[in-house]
Amino acid sequence: DTGVSQDPRHKITKRGQNVTFRCDPISEHNRLYWYRQTLGQGPEFLTYFQNEAQLEKSRLLSDRFSAERPKGSFSTLEIQRTEQGDSAMYLCASSLGSGQGTQYFGPGTRLLVL
Amino acid sequence: QQQVKQSPQSLIVQKGGISIINCAYENTAFDYFPWYQQFPGKGPALLIAIRPDVSEKKEGRFTISFNKSAKQFSLHIMDSQPGDSATYFCAASTSGGSNYKLTFGKGTLLTVNP
Repeated sequence: DTGVSQDPRHKITKRGQNVTFRCDPISEHNRLYWYRQTLGQGPEFLTYFQNEAQLEKSRLLSDRFSAERPKGSFSTLEIQRTEQGDSAMYLCASSLGSGQGTQYFGPGTRLLVL
Repeated sequence: QQQVKQSPQSLIVQKGGISIINCAYENTAFDYFPWYQQFPGKGPALLIAIRPDVSEKKEGRFTISFNKSAKQFSLHIMDSQPGDSATYFCAASTSGGSNYKLTFGKGTLLTVNP
């Protein structure tokens, strides 16, 4: 399978714990996006990488959230001191090129904070 | 502020019927309008997209109609099939800058009865 992959697919954690999600984009895709989707809503933009550089962060991304994309390949999204309001589906997408290219989404990581 | 408004929230059609989902946007800088299809437990997948230099785009049973002056666009699904039952999201982005992040509507849950 050459699509976007995300790991884990599901995560249950207790409030206050730290969690980390991984995204592997389509090979050679230079752009990588993280979105968050809550029940009954469309995905909301969180952050964007072009190669290894994080170029934009949404105001939704509080200081407890951090994302990295070392060497411009896979990306990780970490949430520290999780809160119940962090419960959501975290989606990763990747695209190729310097212009508007199709964003291909992974299956997402569903987080439940108890 | 919701930049992309989508309606209806849910839609039930009979097999063979036409499904119509509407979206309106506020940001006149938007210049790329994709529609995504999402099945339960999956990430969104691109269905069809349009740019404002055309008023209509058709791919198979799926057609986007675009009205730039009204800042509205819609998805028409002809000959709807039970396999089309999914959640549909309209989205928009701008080519200004280098981000191309997507702003999504809240989604429409389509049910096609056999």
